[in-house]
Amino acid sequence: DAGVIQSPRHEVTEMGQEVTLRCKPISGHNSLFWYRQTMMRGLELLIYFNNNVPIDDSGMPEDRFSAKMPNASFSTLKIQPSEPRDSAVYFCASSPRQNNSPLHFGNGTRLTVT
Amino acid sequence: DAKTTQPTSMDCAEGRAANLPCNHSTISGNEYVYWYRQIHSQGPQYIIHGLKNNETNEMASLIITEDRKSSTLILPHATLRDTAVYYCIVRVGPLVQGAQKLVFGQGTRLTINP
Repeated sequence: DAGVIQSPRHEVTEMGQEVTLRCKPISGHNSLFWYRQTMMRGLELLIYFNNNVPIDDSGMPEDRFSAKMPNASFSTLKIQPSEPRDSAVYFCASSPRQNNSPLHFGNGTRLTVT
Repeated sequence: DAKTTQPTSMDCAEGRAANLPCNHSTISGNEYVYWYRQIHSQGPQYIIHGLKNNETNEMASLIITEDRKSSTLILPHATLRDTAVYYCIVRVGPLVQGAQKLVFGQGTRLTINP
């Protein structure tokens, strides 16, 4: 299994631009999570989905952030417009929705907003 | 979710057992203890989890006290590749709405010395 696949691996953009981060979960997993990691705040859960439906988006910082999961094999996290304070590593994770299954994380997208 | 308390950092000699403590004094009866680690620039990696019994797998052992207010992760023969940040997390069991999410604290930075 290829694991959770995130793209791009690195993204550098200018303030005000739209940024789209992509995630392909492990096949058969029906829960998907988006996390953000910074030195100051550590790992923060932004939003998660069960069966493509958003369950908890209380961690989404503001209206500039949006996440979608149009099908079981793809999710996007969009920031529009981006700001320098959005610079962070964004991780996607997936898990089977059963019996305490662990989360499997991708290797993240390092976003730099200048 | 119950909060956890971990030492900020620890050192261990290569080849020795690394014992990482975690306090979770407010843990509820249906909350599981999970351990993850994050090696520099990678996504978090699942290690082990348990409810009240001690657990062992190919990576580590998890010892949970009888009152479940604390636990210890044991890496039996630490290697340089075990240098990472180790996170102890308590997580509600799968039958509760929103139970799938993991909330990360600051973790313990473990350094294995040659």
